[in-house]
Amino acid sequence: DGGITQSPKYLFRKEGQNVTLSCEQNLNHDAMYWYRQDPGQGLRLIYYSQIVNDFQKGDIAEGYSVSREKKESFPLTVTSAQKNPTAFYLCASSIGASTYEQYFGPGTRLTVT
Amino acid sequence: AQSVTQLGSHVSVSEGALVLLRCNYSSSVPPYLFWYVQYPNQGLQLLLKYTSAATLVKGINGFEAEFKKSETSFHLTKPSAHMSDAAEYFCAVSDRDNNDMRFGAGTRLTVKP
Repeated sequence: DGGITQSPKYLFRKEGQNVTLSCEQNLNHDAMYWYRQDPGQGLRLIYYSQIVNDFQKGDIAEGYSVSREKKESFPLTVTSAQKNPTAFYLCASSIGASTYEQYFGPGTRLTVT
Repeated sequence: AQSVTQLGSHVSVSEGALVLLRCNYSSSVPPYLFWYVQYPNQGLQLLLKYTSAATLVKGINGFEAEFKKSETSFHLTKPSAHMSDAAEYFCAVSDRDNNDMRFGAGTRLTVKP
């Protein structure tokens, strides 16, 4: 079955540690996205990539980093510089530009204490 | 810049009653509009999309939405609510001039027996 996988579902880290969230898709989509979701705030764009080896910052990129070395993979690293990293993180992909619908993974809930 | 406003962070209806979730958008060019549904601790699933074809769009699970340019609205409706419709619903907008999709803050739908 085609789709997007995110792992792990739940992740716990101590403050000051970097953590990498995995996102893999087998839909052959060119574009991939990372969003952060907090209660009552909808989805906020962290980073997006429209092609391999290229990515752009979204609205809240500070404290995060990404890579896009393969078309099917778009990992997100939450660094110790992120002031409030506890959140639900969603990865998505689309065929191309934002005028196409996005397909979402199941999400990773990160808790930092 | 494009943006979306969802009126009402919480909507409660009785089972069998009409569901109406409101969405207003702003966009300087003809928009693409989407409704997504999210069940607890899951990713978003596309309900329907408007891409400048028919103004009345039918989606999955009996939902539909009507694009009204004069009102800059794209409200989501369902004639008869089911218990399984209880979830959070997000309206989103994108257009050809931007490389990202903007999401509303979401509306949580509760269905009472």
